Amino acid sequence: GAVVSQHPSWVICKSGTSVKIECRSLDFQATTMFWYRQFPKQSLMLMATSNEGSKATYEQGVEKDKFLINHASLTLSTLTVTSAHPEDSSFYICSASEGSGPREQYFGPGTRLTVT
Amino acid sequence: SQQGEEDPQALSIQEGENATMNCSYKTSINNLQWYRQNSGRGLVHLILIRSNEREKHSGRLRVTLDTSKKSSSLLITASRAADTASYFCATVLYGGATNKLIFGTGTLLAVQP
Repeated sequence: GAVVSQHPSWVICKSGTSVKIECRSLDFQATTMFWYRQFPKQSLMLMATSNEGSKATYEQGVEKDKFLINHASLTLSTLTVTSAHPEDSSFYICSASEGSGPREQYFGPGTRLTVT
Repeated sequence: SQQGEEDPQALSIQEGENATMNCSYKTSINNLQWYRQNSGRGLVHLILIRSNEREKHSGRLRVTLDTSKKSSSLLITASRAADTASYFCATVLYGGATNKLIFGTGTLLAVQP
């Protein structure tokens, strides 16, 4: 149980376009979802936390107008990278947890974004 | 920065040897978790140790926690080539209604067959 999927697995887009990444909890209801970014050979950095039905909470330094997060249902959150630039190229990973508070997070397999 | 530090940054060993990775963190914690990440993949949760625990075992994994030194170690015994991966420690930062994982810098482990 506790499977989280991401789609797509990888995407290549042109500079200036927008890209949407989906994160789904397949067998549980994810009250809270987290979005992380990971540059090559670096650690995961939390970008934002989203609770179903409410606005996402962004970490310091993350542009909310550039990284749009929607958590419209208990099984789906989306991250849209708007007007992507080559420096947005990264590995984006989502995680999900049931409820809030000290709950285990289940991670998706990640999405590799390359902006050309 | 809340991010923890891990050492070594990279470790190369022979199959059958033990691998030890260390993690230091900055804030008080409720628990500390270790994750594995294969190249280009998502994270796999390995083990969680609570702040009132000093040692925990899971198969070939042994985790220790020293809250007075704000440090933890992960020992993998009798390593296998399949253990080749990056290993991250993570602490939980409680903020309001949600908990956030703060990841360490990671250790890249290479197990040579």
